[in-house]
Amino acid sequence: DIVLTQSPGTLSLSPGDRAILSCRASQAVNSAYLAWYQQQPGHSPRLLIYAASNRATGIPDRFSGGGSGTDFTLTITRLEPEDFAVYYCQLYSDSRPWTFGQGTKVDIK
Amino acid sequence: DVQLLESGGALVHPGGSLRLSCTASGFIFRNYALAWVRQAPGKGLEWVSVIIATGTSSNYAESVKGRFAISRDDSQNTLYLQMSNVRAEDTAVYYCVKSMRFLVGFLESWGPGTLVTVSS
Repeated sequence: DIVLTQSPGTLSLSPGDRAILSCRASQAVNSAYLAWYQQQPGHSPRLLIYAASNRATGIPDRFSGGGSGTDFTLTITRLEPEDFAVYYCQLYSDSRPWTFGQGTKVDIK
Repeated sequence: DVQLLESGGALVHPGGSLRLSCTASGFIFRNYALAWVRQAPGKGLEWVSVIIATGTSSNYAESVKGRFAISRDDSQNTLYLQMSNVRAEDTAVYYCVKSMRFLVGFLESWGPGTLVTVSS
């Protein structure tokens, strides 16, 4: 099965900074099947990005996704206080188990 | 607004059984794939199972295959997860999740979760 590895484990930044989160797949994947989620403390996750680069409904344009093959990124251009959270990448497949990365925590420096 | 509400979480002994339910509103239930995703205390997300809109196909994580069964009742707008032969490692918050309509693997709406604790 494909493994998603996220880095760094923790990213310590200040409000207004730019955050770049990485998600690496153990083999090349179809970017159409990759998503990013945000989980704020004490809350359920929410979908941010689908098909690698498409923002979900209601997601601000400071969030963007990109990448292809094995390497994908989530960029937050200017961190707002509510953006300090844990972020997960996810890969789905019609024939294989779905998988999440282990998460990247963005915390306040 | 889409609403998903899980219930049925409880303390259960190893080897025991439990059925989780998820009642949904705010969308045409029968048109969407639905999934269960769990999160062990202090850990990351783990996909558990998915059932497609027609209910004719489902898939499971290897960790639960043969022990858990997903089902849906479109007449009651309810999703189920029958858990059998549970283990300590099944302890987690279980989220009911609605997929995007034509992009089944993208999980666009999440319930608040229900806690399952497996312990003797």
